[in-house]
Amino acid sequence: AQSVTQPDIHITVSEGASLELRCNYSYGATPYLFWYVQSPGQGLQLLLKYFSGDTLVQGIKGFEAEFKRSQSSFNLRKPSVHWSDAAEYFCAVGGIGGNKLVFGAGTILRVKS
Amino acid sequence: GAVVSQHPSWVICKSGTSVKIECRSLDFQATTMFWYRQFPKQSLMLMATSNEGSKATYEQGVEKDKFLINHASLTLSTLTVTSAHPEDSSFYICSATLAGSLYNEQFFGPGTRLTVL
Repeated sequence: AQSVTQPDIHITVSEGASLELRCNYSYGATPYLFWYVQSPGQGLQLLLKYFSGDTLVQGIKGFEAEFKRSQSSFNLRKPSVHWSDAAEYFCAVGGIGGNKLVFGAGTILRVKS
Repeated sequence: GAVVSQHPSWVICKSGTSVKIECRSLDFQATTMFWYRQFPKQSLMLMATSNEGSKATYEQGVEKDKFLINHASLTLSTLTVTSAHPEDSSFYICSATLAGSLYNEQFFGPGTRLTVL
């Protein structure tokens, strides 16, 4: 069965520091991978997605993620975090022919000044 | 483009009443719409998948008689929580996929906060 693991429930980084949020997935076929961000009481905003091709994908707000098939990972990175990045981040996996998404448990990012 | 709206954004109701939540794709036709619920500090759990003109497909453990889904058109799906109880209090989020989309990317609405007293 497909699943997504986000091992870090909370992460705190200093403003201006780099960020990496981890995501590991289990999927029996070629995965489609997504990162979403959710501010409190809000819906989900898509940061970036991977379907095929270049394994390093660029997203909005300066985020990027790298698909590593050998490690079943799709980690999200940002070189310099801003206070406005504080939110909850969800990794999700879907696949060809099926349009369901399976979400990870989420990682709450706190940014300290 | 690809904007999804939900109405209402929040609702408070008494136990035993029914509540309807609307999900609309504003600038595209949605082949499929999804309904999720999210409890505080938890992830999104898929409740059901609805396709225009056909019955919704519910996930295991979701009561279809309690959570009625109607997908009347390519731009509107509704979720009705019947005989709501306090345990139904949650954040309900819908999403929609673009008709003809190769990758079935989902576009999410802003969510509806339901509080049942």
